[in-house]
Amino acid sequence: GAVVSQHPSWVICKSGTSVKIECRSLDFQATTMFWYRQFPKQSLMLMATSNEGSKATYEQGVEKDKFLINHASLTLSTLTVTSAHPEDSSFYICSAWLAGAGGETQYFGPGTRLLVL
Amino acid sequence: DAKTTQPNSMESNEEEPVHLPCNHSTISGTDYIHWYRQLPSQGPEYVIHGLTSNVNNRMASLAIAEDRKSSTLILHRATLRDAAVYYCILARVYGGATNKLIFGTGTLLAVQP
Repeated sequence: GAVVSQHPSWVICKSGTSVKIECRSLDFQATTMFWYRQFPKQSLMLMATSNEGSKATYEQGVEKDKFLINHASLTLSTLTVTSAHPEDSSFYICSAWLAGAGGETQYFGPGTRLLVL
Repeated sequence: DAKTTQPNSMESNEEEPVHLPCNHSTISGTDYIHWYRQLPSQGPEYVIHGLTSNVNNRMASLAIAEDRKSSTLILHRATLRDAAVYYCILARVYGGATNKLIFGTGTLLAVQP
């Protein structure tokens, strides 16, 4: 199957700093990628849709100036958490659709765990 | 986005079949039924998806009701590695492209040895 990678797998940072998370589709091209956030014992919450070559579409309640998304190529999307605070500590997951014979399948990255001190 | 309803948790014994139900009474004609599972501290993993007909793959089977208002994910022989949260999600297709996935709370499957 298709592979989506994320880097880093975990990061610890001080409050007020910015953190960049990379999401790559390793063996396919993705014009659209998605960013999710997951708090402990909760489900995934969709944050935004990342579109290659254009602005991201953010879900209601997600601050676009705080969570900067850049989809510069067909295999790379980045999420930058600006001026991170402890409440931004979470598990961040990206994904991308891949078309197949039976329709599209969404492939997920392994996630990035962010801890803001 | 159409909503799905799943039991919060289920238990199974190892080597036995597991039937995970999902209700989606407001499903529309262009909604695909997707199943994903998530192991602890990992990203979700694709399991299976279908539109109208039952589907089989090496991981599981998907049985879709004739009226499409419910579906069942079938794991034929549960193993300890199948313990995970299973999500049933409707994915709508617009203009040939699939829309975003909205995750519900899923079913936490526990597998007993």
